[in-house]
Amino acid sequence: QQPVQSPQAVILREGEDAVINCSSSKALYSVHWYRQKHGEAPVFLMILLKGGEQKGHDKISASFNEKKQQSSLYLTASQLSYSGTYFCGTGTWGNEKLTFGTGTRLTIIP
Amino acid sequence: DSGVTQTPKHLITATGQRVTLRCSPRSGDLSVYWYQQSLDQGLQFLIQYYNGEERAKGNILERFSAQQFPDLHSELNLSSLELGDSALYFCASSVGTPNTGELFFGEGSRLTVL
Repeated sequence: QQPVQSPQAVILREGEDAVINCSSSKALYSVHWYRQKHGEAPVFLMILLKGGEQKGHDKISASFNEKKQQSSLYLTASQLSYSGTYFCGTGTWGNEKLTFGTGTRLTIIP
Repeated sequence: DSGVTQTPKHLITATGQRVTLRCSPRSGDLSVYWYQQSLDQGLQFLIQYYNGEERAKGNILERFSAQQFPDLHSELNLSSLELGDSALYFCASSVGTPNTGELFFGEGSRLTVL
């Protein structure tokens, strides 16, 4: 069963902040975040592991609540280049597949 | 450039036909994953190999099969093609499992079944 992301879509003005949530019904060991531009390959943003720390670089960061099997991606002071569809991917212990979420389409307008 | 190479980039074929998609992982990566992405949809996991062995399977149809060869490249075979098989097929590779590191995606093979 794939993780559920919310919101499904969001439109922001340049400079605004966004939060994308990812929720799973399974006990998670890892959460990945990827961004995909239309017609292109997904590009890795960051990975969070069970027991690890919150990650971040530049104006994009993420958290992982192991007890709730949830992760959130935070984009601050959004730029036009942040537009795309964001996918979380979840991994469980002992399982070698990465299951992607339903996706969140982010549109940044000037 | 992720270092993952997929061929062909585009493929147009007819219903009932068979095609083979090829993937060369990044140098040093032992895991190869195949994903299917239908128009404006999410990434559906098909199958994963590690160093030549099948390690995980998703909702892959019986008409589809894959393998990873000793040189670590992988092929995805799609047979008895149907209109609904039209999609973008991504290959990804990683050093180990998703619990240890990121996946690197190829540019995809766009399959159109007419």
